[in-house]
Amino acid sequence: EAGVAQSPRYKIIEKRQSVAFWCNPISGHATLYWYQQILGQGPKLLIQFQNNGVVDDSQLPKDRFSAERLKGVDSTLKIQPAKLEDSAVYLCASSLALAGGEELFFGEGSRLTVL
Amino acid sequence: ILNVEQSPQSLHVQEGDSTNFTCSFPSSNFYALHWYRWETAKSPEALFVMTLNGDEKKKGRISATLNTKEGYSYLYIKGSQPEDSATYLCACHTGGFKTIFGAGTRLFVKA
Repeated sequence: EAGVAQSPRYKIIEKRQSVAFWCNPISGHATLYWYQQILGQGPKLLIQFQNNGVVDDSQLPKDRFSAERLKGVDSTLKIQPAKLEDSAVYLCASSLALAGGEELFFGEGSRLTVL
Repeated sequence: ILNVEQSPQSLHVQEGDSTNFTCSFPSSNFYALHWYRWETAKSPEALFVMTLNGDEKKKGRISATLNTKEGYSYLYIKGSQPEDSATYLCACHTGGFKTIFGAGTRLFVKA
């Protein structure tokens, strides 16, 4: 079974530039998550989708971050314009369903460095 | 916002030592507790998903316990090996469909 795919693995940009990350979840997984993990901290949920609807985006900085999950499958996360504090690993995860506390399956992450 | 705390932040042990970490979480509105292992340059992988008070799960040399009434879980590693070096994350899943992670415990096992 193919895992969660993310790209790019690494990205270096200058502040005020834009960047986009892509995620393809495990086939059949209804729930998709984007987490931001800053060095020394735990993963912080940015946005959670159930199929193509948003369940929770309360911690997404909407003035600069946007995410979409068209057709309820793959997803993109965009940052525009980037700030220095956006340097982090962006983890995408998927799970079979919303309710039930099922385990999350993670991609390898996209490491962003903002200079 | 739900707060999940993990301790210690990091731990250095010798090969063969046994070790344990703590995860504490608010006990109200609890649904499930997850433990993940995150090795450098890889994706986090689930170790355990625990839901019942008093639950105890084991996978090889790693085991975990859960106390939902007092809001804590312990992860134990018996006879640590260098390949156990990783960050161990716990996450609390609430009835409001949120999965909140702790900051992790970074384990270093020296051969």
